[in-house]
Amino acid sequence: DTEVTQTPKHLVMGMTNKKSLKCEQHMGHRAMYWYKQKAKKPPELMFVYSYEKLSINESVPSRFSPECPNSSLLNLHLHALQPEDSALYLCASSHQGLAVTYEQYFGPGTRLTVT
Amino acid sequence: SQQGEEDPQALSIQEGENATMNCSYKTSINNLQWYRQNSGRGLVHLILIRSNEREKHSGRLRVTLDTSKKSSSLLITASRAADTASYFCATGPKGGGNKLTFGTGTQLKVEL
Repeated sequence: DTEVTQTPKHLVMGMTNKKSLKCEQHMGHRAMYWYKQKAKKPPELMFVYSYEKLSINESVPSRFSPECPNSSLLNLHLHALQPEDSALYLCASSHQGLAVTYEQYFGPGTRLTVT
Repeated sequence: SQQGEEDPQALSIQEGENATMNCSYKTSINNLQWYRQNSGRGLVHLILIRSNEREKHSGRLRVTLDTSKKSSSLLITASRAADTASYFCATGPKGGGNKLTFGTGTQLKVEL
């Protein structure tokens, strides 16, 4: 199974709401990622989990809170977002890179709209 | 600034023609990868070329890497309408690790 699944596909939330994005993979990958992508732009790395521990946080505002409950699951908790946070949120996974950087497998994304 | 700059930003060709897109990067790498993204969807890994390789083929894809010029090219031969997508290069840093740095992307449109 080479699939990364993400739920929900679409999410509309108000600035006072709390919501969560979910991501799952069953490829045995020990690195998992959250990216944010605006239209016609490349993905921007937000967080990297390595062996279920947060290894990279690209100075993301605290209104985004990642969580890795186990090696197959990755969540992104959202709270008090701003309209400019509207974007496509992509989850990805890969083998854990040491001396090399492995290819990443991406989910289909969650299209988030903040009203 | 972007680690990878791609050109052209947009490319429109007829079905059956070849499409070439270029990527330049700034720092030393352990490999360079190419991804495709259909509109509003996730990225799909196409091909990986290591820093000690100069050329790699996969089906209709040909990738070259010139580490002295810090540049790579992706050639898609005999393009099809289904190749219409955005294409991104991404570099892995020298020394490895999980962090990929994506280029700005090329939007390819293949017309019937």
